[in-house]
Amino acid sequence: RKEVEQDPGPFNVPEGATVAFNCTYSNSASQSFFWYRQDCRKEPKLLMSVYSSGNEDGRFTAQLNRASQYISLLIRDSKLSDSATYLCVVIPYNNNDMRFGAGTRLTVKP
Amino acid sequence: ETGVTQSPTHLIKTRGQQVTLRCSSQSGHNTVSWYQQALGQGPQFIFQYYREEENGRGNFPPRFSGLQFPNYSSELNVNALELDDSALYLCASSPRFPGANVLTFGAGSRLTVL
Repeated sequence: RKEVEQDPGPFNVPEGATVAFNCTYSNSASQSFFWYRQDCRKEPKLLMSVYSSGNEDGRFTAQLNRASQYISLLIRDSKLSDSATYLCVVIPYNNNDMRFGAGTRLTVKP
Repeated sequence: ETGVTQSPTHLIKTRGQQVTLRCSSQSGHNTVSWYQQALGQGPQFIFQYYREEENGRGNFPPRFSGLQFPNYSSELNVNALELDDSALYLCASSPRFPGANVLTFGAGSRLTVL
C-alpha cells in the first residue's frame, strides 16, 4: 500500500462546479498535512495547510480526519485557472521529508 | 528576494554516464531537499541537506549523492545512470529545520536518459 494515495482522476468539470478531492495516508503518526498545486511542467506550489479543525481559504476548503487517516480538498465555483494537478502531502512524525501522493488532475472547462 | 534556481533546465545523458544538477536556495533559506518526479507521479524524496550535512534520505541507492556548500547551494550527483532515472529533479529550500510548510521549489531539471 502506498504511503499517500489519491484518486488520479482526471476530473473534468465545468466552470462554476464544486469538486472534491480525497487523499488517504497510511502512517497514523503523521504530523503535518498540505495540499500543493502543480501546473503542467511547472514546480509544485503550496496551496494550503490542512488542520484538524478544517480550514478555508476563499473558494478552497481543506479537511483532515485523523481517525480515518483521510484528507480532503473542496473547490467551490471552479475557475478555468484552477486546472492543475493537486498533490496531497504528508509529513511523517519525527521526519524531515514530505511524502507526496501521485496527484489528482483537474481540468475546468468553459 | 530571489527564489530557488536550478540548472541545467534540461539535459540528455546516456546509460552509464554521470550527471550533476545544481541548486541555489532562496535567500535566507539554509535547508535544501531534493526530489525526483517521474512522469505522472508525485515527487519522491531523495535526501535533505542542512548545515552541509545529509539530514534524511529516501529510498534511493548510493549512486545518488549530494553536497551542500557554505552558501547553502547544493548539488545532486547521479552515477551510472539508468533509463529509469529519467525524471524531473526538483530542489526545494526552506528557512529552518524542518520548516516544511514554507518549502519553496525550483522549476526543476528535466533529465532524459537514453
